[in-house]
Amino acid sequence: EIVMTQSPATLSVSPGESATLSCGASQSVSINLAWYQQKPGQAPRLLIFGASTRATGIPARFSGSGSGTEFTLTISSLQSEDFAVYYCQQYHNWPPWTFGQGTKVEIK
Amino acid sequence: EVHLLESGGGLVQPGGSLRLSCAASGFTFSNYAMSWVRQAPGKGLEWVATALGSGQNTYHADSVRGRFTVSRDNSKNTLSLQMSGLRAEDTAVYYCAKDGTTVGYMDVWGKGTTVTVSS
Repeated sequence: EIVMTQSPATLSVSPGESATLSCGASQSVSINLAWYQQKPGQAPRLLIFGASTRATGIPARFSGSGSGTEFTLTISSLQSEDFAVYYCQQYHNWPPWTFGQGTKVEIK
Repeated sequence: EVHLLESGGGLVQPGGSLRLSCAASGFTFSNYAMSWVRQAPGKGLEWVATALGSGQNTYHADSVRGRFTVSRDNSKNTLSLQMSGLRAEDTAVYYCAKDGTTVGYMDVWGKGTTVTVSS
């Protein structure tokens, strides 16, 4: 099973600043990596798939990068609606499909 | 518009059974893998089970294998999760999710249905 590790657990950011979230895989997942956003009381929403491809309707301030075992989600100029929990997920070796433990982006 | 609607959650005693359903609309259901993902209170996301498009290939997490069974009815655009031998640790919100063009990432999610296992 591929273990996904996200850091940091919590990121405090001021509105308008950028945020950089990291996701590591215990073995290579190529670019088979997705990012999701989840707000309290809501279902997750797909942001990024293929490590860097934005899903339909996702603003350009969200960008993903990386391959192999190291990945980054960057949110530029954070808006109020971006404060949420973010999860990475690998779909390279399955089953199982595995998620990271999440990074909470909170208002500083 | 793609839409997923889960139902069937509720309160059940340990050892009991429950059947979750997910009604899908707005896309050609049989063309896509469908998954169940759960989230225990205050915890992260955990993949539970996936059924590929034809329904002939299904996969289950180790934590539920032998107790849960995923299935799909492509004639009714419905995904199901039959749960038995329920444990307290199965308490969670269960989400139905549609896979994208590549099996494995989930591009549309339902709002979820809550399962509580307690005596």
